[in-house]
Amino acid sequence: DGGITQSPKYLFRKEGQNVTLSCEQNLNHDAMYWYRQDPGQGLRLIYYSQIVNDFQKGDIAEGYSVSREKKESFPLTVTSAQKNPTAFYLCASSIVWGTGNEQFFGPGTRLTVL
Amino acid sequence: KNQVEQSPQSLIILEGKNCTLQCNYTVSPFSNLRWYKQDTGRGPVSLTIMTFSENTKSNGRYTATLDADTKQSSLHITASQLSDSASYICVVSLTDSWGKLQFGAGTQVVVTP
Repeated sequence: DGGITQSPKYLFRKEGQNVTLSCEQNLNHDAMYWYRQDPGQGLRLIYYSQIVNDFQKGDIAEGYSVSREKKESFPLTVTSAQKNPTAFYLCASSIVWGTGNEQFFGPGTRLTVL
Repeated sequence: KNQVEQSPQSLIILEGKNCTLQCNYTVSPFSNLRWYKQDTGRGPVSLTIMTFSENTKSNGRYTATLDADTKQSSLHITASQLSDSASYICVVSLTDSWGKLQFGAGTQVVVTP
C-alpha cells in the first residue's frame, strides 16, 4: 500500500522545546516538501528536497531544520527559535522536482504549543 | 499579498444542489493550475490539473475551468453530496519558480442534508 505517512497525528510542545515531525514515503519519489498551514492562509513552503542528501530553504524556513539522509524519509524539526509554531504541518512528495509533477500529501501533524 | 485569491471564503449548500467556486490569480508566468480537496484534519488530494492551454477538466462531479487571459479559474460541483463537505484549494505554479507552488487560502464548503 503506497503513500505518505506522517507521525504523530497530534503533538504538544512546551515552549523552549525542540520537536521532530516524521514523514515517510514509499512511492519512490525523489522530491519531498514540508508545508505549514494556518487558518485562513494558503499553505506555505518551509523546506524542500529535490533528491536525497540535498535540501533547500523555502519561504518560511526560520526556526525549522530538516535532513534527507534516506530517500523515503524527510523529518522536520521545529526548534525553540520558531516563535509561533502552533500550526498544521503537511509533508508532500513528487516523483521528481518540478511544477508539472503532482505533489501527493500526507495526512498532516497538528502541533500545539502549550 | 496572496497572489491566489479564492471566493467565497465559505458556503453552505443543500445536498443535491450545484455550486461554483472561484479562483483569481496574479502570478505570472503561469505553468499550471490545480484544484485540491482537503477534508478536515487531512492532507489535500488532487482533483484536477490544467495547463495554460486547457480550458476545462473534469473529474467525476467536479469540473474545473480556466481562462488564462483573465487569470480566472472556477470549480463546479454538480449534484453535491455530504462527502463533498471540505475545503477546496486552488494552486498555481510558476514557470520561473520551478517546483514551487502558490496556494490559495481555500473555500470551505458545507453540504447539508
